[in-house]
Amino acid sequence: GDSVTQMEGPVTLSEEAFLTINCTYTATGYPSLFWYVQYPGEGLQLLLKATKADDKGSNKGFEATYRKETTSFHLEKGSVQVSDSAVYFCALIKSQGAQKLVFGQGTRLTINP
Amino acid sequence: DAEITQSPRHKITETGRQVTLACHQTWNHNNMFWYRQDLGHGLRLIHYSYGVHDTNKGEVSDGYSVSRSNTEDLPLTLESAASSQTSVYFCASSESRVRGYTFGSGTRLTVV
Repeated sequence: GDSVTQMEGPVTLSEEAFLTINCTYTATGYPSLFWYVQYPGEGLQLLLKATKADDKGSNKGFEATYRKETTSFHLEKGSVQVSDSAVYFCALIKSQGAQKLVFGQGTRLTINP
Repeated sequence: DAEITQSPRHKITETGRQVTLACHQTWNHNNMFWYRQDLGHGLRLIHYSYGVHDTNKGEVSDGYSVSRSNTEDLPLTLESAASSQTSVYFCASSESRVRGYTFGSGTRLTVV
């Protein structure tokens, strides 16, 4: 079945460090890919998305590129801030059939000043 | 502004009781979803609906039911609450598969 695998956390970085959170997926066809962020005590918010191969999604300094050849959608940010501390979820939705988001396990990110 | 709201935010109930969690959206989205979030399991789909009078089972639907009588609401009912259903529940809605979901703020349910 369809699945998303994220790098295990927690991840702890210092402020201004470079961030990479790995995400790979298994799905037939050409799914749309998403990164969601969850701040403490809140629901999930859409961070960025990409709907076809080689698309780059970006928002708030975060970027991710849809790599069909490696079935990956890694999240990157050049210089993290304390306010980026949150849980990050990679997810996919298939291009046909049931419109269900399939989530990875989530990666908890903590940024220290 | 359009929004999606869940109520209550927190609920404590006893084993065996029936509990209903509310979800209301003003986006006019046809698609609505219920997920539960547990440590070590991420988010798991309970039920979903593509429109009025349409409901479908997700991967962890046992012990839960939903009904869709209008576009705005998708209440989630636990028929007989069990301790294994202690979790944080999230409702979401979407317009189309490529636009992603909009999530509510969640309901933390504790079954004692």
